[in-house]
Amino acid sequence: DAGITQSPRYKITETGRQVTLMCHQTWSHSYMFWYRQDLGHGLRLIYYSAAADITDKGEVPDGYVVSRSKTENFPLTLESATRSQTSVYFCASVSGNTIYFGEGSWLTVV
Amino acid sequence: EDQVTQSPEALRLQEGESSSLNCSYTVSGLRGLFWYRQDPGKGPEFLFTLYSAGEEKEKERLKATLTKKESFLHITAPKPEDSATYLCAVQAYSGAGSYQLTFGKGTKLSVIP
Repeated sequence: DAGITQSPRYKITETGRQVTLMCHQTWSHSYMFWYRQDLGHGLRLIYYSAAADITDKGEVPDGYVVSRSKTENFPLTLESATRSQTSVYFCASVSGNTIYFGEGSWLTVV
Repeated sequence: EDQVTQSPEALRLQEGESSSLNCSYTVSGLRGLFWYRQDPGKGPEFLFTLYSAGEEKEKERLKATLTKKESFLHITAPKPEDSATYLCAVQAYSGAGSYQLTFGKGTKLSVIP
């Protein structure tokens, strides 16, 4: 059971470049989320999706774009990366009332 | 605004030395309180969900309890493999997107052999 797969796991990019983090789930869960985790802030919600073609903003959405054309995929795009977006990004999905997380994508913006 | 505060930020225990981690919260209407374990370089791993005051859940050396204002994660006779960061999160009744969680900053537990 693969669960949630995130790619790339590690990425270094330059300021101003566009970056897309991919998230794929094998369970066909309806709800999916993107969180970022930073020292001193904990996990913060960026965007979530209730189903294909339905997305909404979380706590820290500025600078990010999401799409969800298929239930199993929920990519997160940084349109023009900034150093403040250096972080660990976690994709997650809901089964029952429990949120399950992927292994994370480490992004460094230089 | 939902808020979650975990204490202490870090805790060092000798193997076998029992202790508790605290999670205090304010939420408009609690749908559930969640505990996760996170190992370095990994995503959070689900441990427990508690739904109402007085509820308790156990898993191996861990027991989670819930009151109307806080939750405790009790660790009995910990082993070095229990070393991790423990995250607490609340889920509120808020209509659309109500599955989303608000997290605390975590407690980093180190168990010394």
